[in-house]
Amino acid sequence: DAGITQSPRHKVTETGTPVTLRCHQTENHRYMYWYRQDPGHGLRLIHYSYGVKDTDKGEVSDGYSVSRSKTEDFLLTLESATSSQTSVYFCAISESIGQGSPNYGYTFGSGTRLTVV
Amino acid sequence: SQQGEEDPQALSIQEGENATMNCSYKTSINNLQWYRQNSGRGLVHLILIRSNEREKHSGRLRVTLDTSKKSSSLLITASRAADTASYFCAGSRRGNEKLTFGTGTRLTIIP
Repeated sequence: DAGITQSPRHKVTETGTPVTLRCHQTENHRYMYWYRQDPGHGLRLIHYSYGVKDTDKGEVSDGYSVSRSKTEDFLLTLESATSSQTSVYFCAISESIGQGSPNYGYTFGSGTRLTVV
Repeated sequence: SQQGEEDPQALSIQEGENATMNCSYKTSINNLQWYRQNSGRGLVHLILIRSNEREKHSGRLRVTLDTSKKSSSLLITASRAADTASYFCAGSRRGNEKLTFGTGTRLTIIP
């Protein structure tokens, strides 16, 4: 998708290994998000960021950490991958005008399909 | 926990017919959004409706919002094969940037 890229697109890793997924944007948007998508669960928020070095947990943050050292990059790390973290991971960005809630839709990346064996 | 629950989970209709999907949500929202996801792709934003709006149109899309019933509907008129996709509603609470997504409706348009 224009303005946001995720890497890698596919990854297979072994249980217990650390894994880092990268999200890169060229839109200079303030807000960035990591979601995971699993059958029957829709999209669930893992972590999000509202600025450089400002991050917070979502509803399924256990086993994940994030970092945002630059506006354009938001990294998701699985500290020690488990089979339950096999999923499709999506990064999203948004800009907000006004107070609090997003006034515009999110822009999503194409996703990273992660398999933990 | 999902902010939105879509109904039905799956829907198949003939090309040219109208498709209606419903979304119910649990808590008060500031706005509600609808997204489309084609197989193997990321989600694409379709339309946003604010809590003080009751209806909104965009091309062949019509979205309604009933805050008293905590529900929204997405109507796609004159469906096309290219509309085959999963559709998700997502809500955000007042003062909160985060969107919470429902589990989606899988729409199949039969040529």
